[in-house]
Amino acid sequence: IAGITQAPTSQILAAGRRMTLRCTQDMRHNAMYWYRQDLGLGLRLIHYSNTAGTTGKGEVPDGYSVSRANTDDFPLTLASAVPSQTSVYFCASRGQGHTGELFFGEGSRLTVL
Amino acid sequence: AQKVTQAQTEISVVEKEDVTLDCVYETRDTTYYLFWYKQPPSGELVFLIRRNSFDEQNEISGRYSWNFQKSTSSFNFTITASQVVDSAVYFCALSEAYSGAGSYQLTFGKGTKLSVIP
Repeated sequence: IAGITQAPTSQILAAGRRMTLRCTQDMRHNAMYWYRQDLGLGLRLIHYSNTAGTTGKGEVPDGYSVSRANTDDFPLTLASAVPSQTSVYFCASRGQGHTGELFFGEGSRLTVL
Repeated sequence: AQKVTQAQTEISVVEKEDVTLDCVYETRDTTYYLFWYKQPPSGELVFLIRRNSFDEQNEISGRYSWNFQKSTSSFNFTITASQVVDSAVYFCALSEAYSGAGSYQLTFGKGTKLSVIP
């Protein structure tokens, strides 16, 4: 059972470059999320999607965009990376409609130089 | 707006000691869900428990137990007879049941890093 698959696992990126973090789930969950984790700040929501075709902004959306063309895929794009976007990014999906726990991917560690 | 506070940034205990991790939350809703996640040094996020606001019974799972008290808006987590494998960052999280046009997101606390010393 794969669950949530994120790619790449780790990436070093020059500032100003465009980067897409991929996220795929095989659980047919409607809701999906992107969080970033930074030391001392916990996990903060970047963007979310309640169902295919819809997206919304979370707590820290600036500099990021998402799309949800189908149920399984929820890519996160950094249009022009900046060093403050250095972080660990977690994709998640939510079971049991909107009341269940989040299932997380293994994370993507991004370093912007 | 929902908020989760984990006041303990780091805790160190000696193996076999009991330890309690505190979690205090804020919400305007009467229906909500509380969660605990564990993040071991390997980095993945492991789901531990989900509790809805109408169920105030304490829960025990092996060495883990959770104390939910609506009167104090707390959802504390106790590890009995701690082991080195319990060393991890633990996150408490809150989700409101009705978010209007919002995300039904889980709002996380900043985490408590637990170190269990052999």
